[in-house]
Amino acid sequence: QVQLVESGGSVVQPGRSLRLSCTASGFTLRNYGMHWVRQAPGKGLEWVAVVWHTGRTKYYADSVKDRFTISRDNSRNTLYLEMKRLTAEDTAVYYCARDPGEDRPIDSWGQGTLVTVSS
Amino acid sequence: QAVLTQPSSLSASPGASASLTCTLRSGINVDTRRIYWYQQKPGSPPQFLLSYRPDSETQRGSGLPSRFSGSTDASANAGILFISGLQSEDEADYYCMVWHSNTVFFGGGTRLTVL
Repeated sequence: QVQLVESGGSVVQPGRSLRLSCTASGFTLRNYGMHWVRQAPGKGLEWVAVVWHTGRTKYYADSVKDRFTISRDNSRNTLYLEMKRLTAEDTAVYYCARDPGEDRPIDSWGQGTLVTVSS
Repeated sequence: QAVLTQPSSLSASPGASASLTCTLRSGINVDTRRIYWYQQKPGSPPQFLLSYRPDSETQRGSGLPSRFSGSTDASANAGILFISGLQSEDEADYYCMVWHSNTVFFGGGTRLTVL
């Protein structure tokens, strides 16, 4: 079955960097767009970024543009999120999610990985 | 002004109905958008419920009961998730979502309490 497993979350100091990974199984990654969506403790969902099939097309939320980089390695069935210059406002559970595209819904989500930015 | 605005909370009794609204920012026309609805329960990731766009097929999540339906209110420029015959298991946070300028926006979420 479809499975998305995030990893890489940890406690990190403000101003530092961190890379998250999302390993996909049960489907062919290159056939799907992939998103990162985050949720601060006790708050709502906030979309972070999307990368489409080959990895060339990417879009970001204004709040992370120029600090975060989304990428994918279809040969490794893995999605990445490189996060730089982290602040306390980046503290959240980060979910990766699958998007079939063509107006269809984001249809599968991982369980999330927690990033805590604190000194 | 946020792209999508949802009431923060809504309460209703078991067996009653609930209409969850999602108002689009002025200048973004609900009639031209597909609005996606997600349900999230504590400790779990969101789950797709349904999506609705006028004059287009409604997409439904796997196994979604017919008690859940989508619509729009053009006069309010809002999408609506309607739940009839509320059950205790419907108690959750509900988020709407749209695509705008190649990016995704979520509403702030509505916490539905069934009591």
